[in-house]
This record gives sequence, structure tokens and C-alpha cells, in this order.
Amino acid sequence: EVQVVESGGGLVQPGGSLRLSCAASDFSFRNYKMTWVRQAPGKGLEWVANINEDGGEKHYVESVKGRFTISRDNVKNLLYLEMNSLRVEDTAIYYCARRLELDYWGQGTLVAVSS
Amino acid sequence: DVQMTQSPSSLSASVGDRVTITCRASQSVVRWLAWYQQKPGKAPKILIYEASALGSGVPSRFSGSGSGTAFTLTIGSLQPDDVGIYYCLQYYSYPLTFGGGTKVDVK
Repeated sequence: EVQVVESGGGLVQPGGSLRLSCAASDFSFRNYKMTWVRQAPGKGLEWVANINEDGGEKHYVESVKGRFTISRDNVKNLLYLEMNSLRVEDTAIYYCARRLELDYWGQGTLVAVSS
Repeated sequence: DVQMTQSPSSLSASVGDRVTITCRASQSVVRWLAWYQQKPGKAPKILIYEASALGSGVPSRFSGSGSGTAFTLTIGSLQPDDVGIYYCLQYYSYPLTFGGGTKVDVK
């Protein structure tokens, strides 16, 4: 069964950094675009970033450009989101999902930015 | 950016009712639109992709229609398990954008 599992969330101070990981299994990871989506507490869904199959094409929502970096390791079947200069407004559950249409989602990992 | 406007923001209906949720795009997204259901404390789950294609394992009471700027998600016969928040997503152009969500309750 297709599965994606996020990890790496936690509590961090404003200005800090965090790296999220997403482990993919039971599908040919190298053949799929991958996406990060977040959801602030009590709010709706927000697309954050996605990456194409070979990692050569990346797109970001304006509010994270220059601070977040999406990457992937097609040997280890891992997707990453490196988050720097974190702000209070980045507090959210971060989901990893397969493809642009987000056909499979992980359970999410909580990132809390607070002093 | 493509703005996605969902309506209504919430609804309450009886078991067996036909329920319709609408999503309007500020510009054409052709048919690159998906629908998701999110239950409390859970990750969203895909219902519909490419405007009308049913996701894997999704009950046939869910259907999608539309193209261009106007799209509809229909629940043919509302069931108690359908309680949750429903979101649309356009994936035609960057940044990808979600609708604001529709909260569905069962009376």
C-alpha cells in the first residue's frame, strides 16, 4: 500500500531552523512529483512547495521563498523540507503528499514556532 | 494567483440528502481540479481529481463535475460518515491554491 510518513517536527524559536523528512514506500518514488502542504491550527490548507521527479524543478508559495528548500533523495526514497528563519506564522501541521493532485497524504508532523 | 472560492462555507443536511458544494476559480484551470475530505484530527483524503475522476476506493456517491472556472462536488446520498470539511484544489498553475473549505454536518 502506498505510504508516506513525515517526521522531524517540533518546537523551535522564531528565527530557528528545522528539517522535515517524508519517507515514501510501496511506490516508485523516483517517478512522482512530491508536494508539501501545511495547515495552521484551526485553519484551511495551504500549498507550500513541490518538486519534480528528478529534483530539477521546484516551486514555492511566496511566503516561504528564500527561507524553505524542498529536496529529495531518490535512492533513499525520501523527501525533505529544510526550513530556516522560521516565523510564528509558520506554525502548522506539515503534510507530505504524492503528485500535484495529492493522491496520498501522510499523517502530518507538527511544527510549532514560539518563544 | 488563481483564487478559489468555495460555497457554502458550511451546511447541515439529513442522511440521504443530495449535497452540492461549489468551487469557483478566478481564471480557467481547465479541468485540473481536485476535491478532498478532511475529518477532525486526520489528514485530508482525495475524493476527486481532474474535476470528475473518482479517487481510489472512494464511494460512488461522490461525484465531481465542471470545467474552466466552475466546479461542483456532489454527494448523492449523504451518510453519517461524510461529516467533515471539504476542500477544492486547483493544480493548473503555481502557486497551487485551495478553496477555503466547506464544513458538512449531518442533522
